[in-house]
Amino acid sequence: DSGVTQTPKHLITATGQRVTLRCSPRSGDLSVYWYQQSLDQGLQFLIQYYNGEERAKGNILERFSAQQFPDLHSELNLSSLELGDSALYFCASSVGSGGPSGANVLTFGAGSRLTVL
Amino acid sequence: AQKITQTQPGMFVQEKEAVTLDCTYDTSDPSYGLFWYKQPSSGEMIFLIYQGSYDQQNATEGRYSLNFQKARKSANLVISASQLGDSAMYFCAMREGRDGNKLVFGAGTILRVKS
Repeated sequence: DSGVTQTPKHLITATGQRVTLRCSPRSGDLSVYWYQQSLDQGLQFLIQYYNGEERAKGNILERFSAQQFPDLHSELNLSSLELGDSALYFCASSVGSGGPSGANVLTFGAGSRLTVL
Repeated sequence: AQKITQTQPGMFVQEKEAVTLDCTYDTSDPSYGLFWYKQPSSGEMIFLIYQGSYDQQNATEGRYSLNFQKARKSANLVISASQLGDSAMYFCAMREGRDGNKLVFGAGTILRVKS
């Protein structure tokens, strides 16, 4: 158990729908990162929050949004879902806000597998 | 341009032998970190080893070592005494100093350990 909790583990929904993925970071970690893993795109960075504030943005679609709450858990909202949004969505956490240092190793959750039919 | 290149889509290794997984990277930032993660078939991402650009010595963690050749911009992962449980996808990743919040991953290498 990595200490990063993601729910749900699996989700099947239809095109056009909206889903929310939830992440609780490891105890003591202030940063939360969201990644999308798909067969054609590989692992893509979506967005990062640090202590409640957005810190970095990657290849996140406008249909997607995220937030980090005061208790540091984070939610990733995916709306107007398309078939191509089917992927494994990872949440990761780290102590610090970033930087190349090994002190900011990302600890990943088990992922939420989204299937859009 | 690709930041991280893993040229081996798949590798086989005999149990108890050593294997090297290749990773080359591209950056002009003098400050960066290199990471290796393992993804077994169950799907989770497991951190293995880290190498900083200013580290003088190659990183080692148990059976994992990183062959860091800065001039060649390569950071190959060496797994010694392979075990069946090492069968997984392995990802090399980089985090640059100037964009320190984003960890960029390579396409991965699937490793299969044969008994």
